[in-house]
Amino acid sequence: NAGVMQNPRHLVRRRGQEARLRCSPMKGHSHVYWYRQLPEEGLKFMVYLQKENIIDESGMPKERFSAEFPKEGPSILRIQQVVRGDSAAYFCASSPLRVLWTEAFFGQGTRLTVV
Amino acid sequence: AQKVTQAQTEISVVEKEDVTLDCVYETRDTTYYLFWYKQPPSGELVFLIRRNSFDEQNEISGRYSWNFQKSTSSFNFTITASQVVDSAVYFCALSEALTGGGNKLTFGTGTQLKVEL
Repeated sequence: NAGVMQNPRHLVRRRGQEARLRCSPMKGHSHVYWYRQLPEEGLKFMVYLQKENIIDESGMPKERFSAEFPKEGPSILRIQQVVRGDSAAYFCASSPLRVLWTEAFFGQGTRLTVV
Repeated sequence: AQKVTQAQTEISVVEKEDVTLDCVYETRDTTYYLFWYKQPPSGELVFLIRRNSFDEQNEISGRYSWNFQKSTSSFNFTITASQVVDSAVYFCALSEALTGGGNKLTFGTGTQLKVEL
């Protein structure tokens, strides 16, 4: 859905660098979900955030990955010291409600390539 | 744990043929939602349908139809008179409650549909 804006669309990082992925939810949406799609696989849940709070990060790798959703500005998914295995498409979805009963409004994704 | 199985990795059909994409799910929740998404070569996710567990009526939208059968835990998707523009990866997904509130989607591995002239 064009309403959820992700940038950049494509990101190339060398091994060891940091990657910052941004997600601006649809207007009025205060809930953000991040998903990762590894090559040839389906999407896998990473983290669920509300404004200024991480609600569930059960899908986040334990190291190098972090996410935030500040009071002002977009949600950020940060990957430190990237490795080749981090190459994937990262999608975010937003919702106006606590539950994702409505269609999940996904952004167009950020394709991260680690070289 | 929740699980979504899309056993068909890749399907090739000739234009105008009908094609059915299978989706089988596992859940212990009594209330849940099922989704289908289309991912064209451009990479974005296009929402197709959401169906709640209490509504087993089949749904038709143009050339698309969905068959939800709770007894077999299946939510199959049929495209009638397929077109080249239908070529994409199709994902079935199941909602799952998160411990701290909210829900996440558990996706299947997708079915690559190729429609040829």
